[in-house]
Amino acid sequence: GIQVEQSPPDLILQEGANSTLRCNFSDSVNNLQWFHQNPWGQLINLFYIPSGTKQNGRLSATTVATERYSLLYISSSQTTDSGVYFCAVELAGNTGNQFYFGTGTSLTVIP
Amino acid sequence: EPEVTQTPSHQVTQMGQEVILRCVPISNHLYFYWYRQILGQKVEFLVSFYNNEISEKSEIFDDQFSVERPDGSNFTLKIRSTKLEDSAMYFCATQGSPLHFGNGTRLTVT
Repeated sequence: GIQVEQSPPDLILQEGANSTLRCNFSDSVNNLQWFHQNPWGQLINLFYIPSGTKQNGRLSATTVATERYSLLYISSSQTTDSGVYFCAVELAGNTGNQFYFGTGTSLTVIP
Repeated sequence: EPEVTQTPSHQVTQMGQEVILRCVPISNHLYFYWYRQILGQKVEFLVSFYNNEISEKSEIFDDQFSVERPDGSNFTLKIRSTKLEDSAMYFCATQGSPLHFGNGTRLTVT
């Protein structure tokens, strides 16, 4: 199956700092999403971004499908940004395929 | 924004018992999924469901597991004869691009 790798695995930031999280995938994909898993375990959808760039407040994401990677940018980080960030991809082809999750980046923002 | 609703939020059961986890998908979505996350690990695909039948399943989804949509609205995951290693967070998801997840059911098998 497709390989989805995220880096770095762990990240500690001082509040106010910026960071970039990376997701590499080994095959062509239909869809790519970024999720934030909060301390309660909920998976919050951040971006649906199969290609291009999107921004939502302090967060933005870019997917370069032809080079098989996506980046999530967090600017002016806050303690509430702490948690695990997952990317998930759906293989190219028919819709309704399973999504494959990366292993996640665990982010801790310290005040 | 429409939500995927899962019940219960927590379930504690004894080894060997059967559990049923319930999900109410977003009404106009056609593809339904169950995923599992063992504590501290990544989210793993279990099964996808389309047009009232399983369309894809993983190696994890063995004969111990079953899914159905009994009344056209609820989407259920049944785990027969639970084992300690079934303890995990179980997520229901539905797809209308993007994929929407419920808040999960935390299953603890003792």
